[in-house]
Order: sequence, then C-alpha cells, then structure tokens
Amino acid sequence: SQQGEEDPQALSIQEGENATMNCSYKTSINNLQWYRQNSGRGLVHLILIRSNEREKHSGRLRVTLDTSKKSSSLLITASRAADTASYFCATVEYGNKLVFGAGTILRVKS
Amino acid sequence: DTGVSQDPRHKITKRGQNVTFRCDPISEHNRLYWYRQTLGQGPEFLTYFQNEAQLEKSRLLSDRFSAERPKGSFSTLEIQRTEQGDSAMYLCASSPRTSVYNEQFFGPGTRLTVL
Repeated sequence: SQQGEEDPQALSIQEGENATMNCSYKTSINNLQWYRQNSGRGLVHLILIRSNEREKHSGRLRVTLDTSKKSSSLLITASRAADTASYFCATVEYGNKLVFGAGTILRVKS
Repeated sequence: DTGVSQDPRHKITKRGQNVTFRCDPISEHNRLYWYRQTLGQGPEFLTYFQNEAQLEKSRLLSDRFSAERPKGSFSTLEIQRTEQGDSAMYLCASSPRTSVYNEQFFGPGTRLTVL
C-alpha cells in the first residue's frame, strides 16, 4: 500500500529555479526519507529527517517535516538539468520496510 | 563496483513461464529487501530478509512468488506461472544492521515484461 500522496504529480521548471515537492503520510513515523530515481534506474537515497527534527539541509536540498500535519516538503534550490528525475518520499513501517508515495516527476529544462 | 547488483536487468517472458531474478547486496549488509514498482507508482514492499531468515512477506507476494537467501548473501526471487499483471520493475535493496534509521541502498532493478 502506498503511504500517501505526493504533490504535485509532475513539475516542470527552468534551470536555476527552485523546485518544491510535498509529501503526506498516514501513520506515526520514526523518520521520513527522500529518494531520487532517474529514468530506468534504481533509487538513490537523498536525505533523512527524524521525527523530532523540523528542518534539515544537505547541499542544495532542504527538507521540512510537520508531524502535526503528517507532511514533508523537499526543496531543491538552483535546479540543474541533472536534477530531472522522479522524487519519492518514504516512511519506515514495522518490519523495516519502506513505504513510498507515488512520487513527483521533476523536469528541469535547460 | 560495491553497490547492489541485480541480474538480469531486463527479462521478457511469455505468460505461464517461470522466471528467477538474482540480487547481490552490498557485502557487509545483513538486511535485504525486495520491492516491486509499476509504471507511475512508487515501489511497494514485497519481502525482507535478515541474514538468511525471511522475516516478513507482503500480501502482494502470492503463492506464485518465492524468495530465498540461502547463505545470507545473495537472494533470488522466483515467479512461477507468470501473469501479465506481474510485469513491473523488481527492485532489491540492502541495509546494514547498524543502520538505525533504515536507509536502504537500491540496485538498478530487473524489468520484467510478461507477454
């Protein structure tokens, strides 16, 4: 079962612009993770935010977490064509399994 | 390359045939996961091993699916009597025991097409 919804489903921006994608989830969490998937390739872990954290940065990535609203957002600043990919949020459920959202498709035009 | 590897990368089969996929995790990782991903969706959990023990199976894993990890290293996922609905990308991931927060490292996947 999918954890929740990601918004928007697709996003197209110009190189250099910022991209924001949102994720909602249903259950209580220990942490929330964001992954990137390039066309036809496996997923790559980007960043993890723990339930007691509200914001986290990694390079051009900024993640926020609002546990009261059961939502998270991923901001990619100064986007590049190489950022074109699908982005998924995932939470960990009992048994160590990751539960993914449906993803946001990001296209960065150069 | 010390990442997770999967073989084959692509498999085309006819309905009713059996297929087997292999996953080689990162060598020091004792946890291994299988996921299935259909077009336009996020990956869905299938099953999970800790060493050679299969600790959890999803309801998605019907009786036609079987996974093994006999020596706690590589794993195989077999689908018997394939159906067109089995067409998907099958992803394998691994994580070390010390990964408290369960970051997982994914392989490139095996894309299955059932004709």
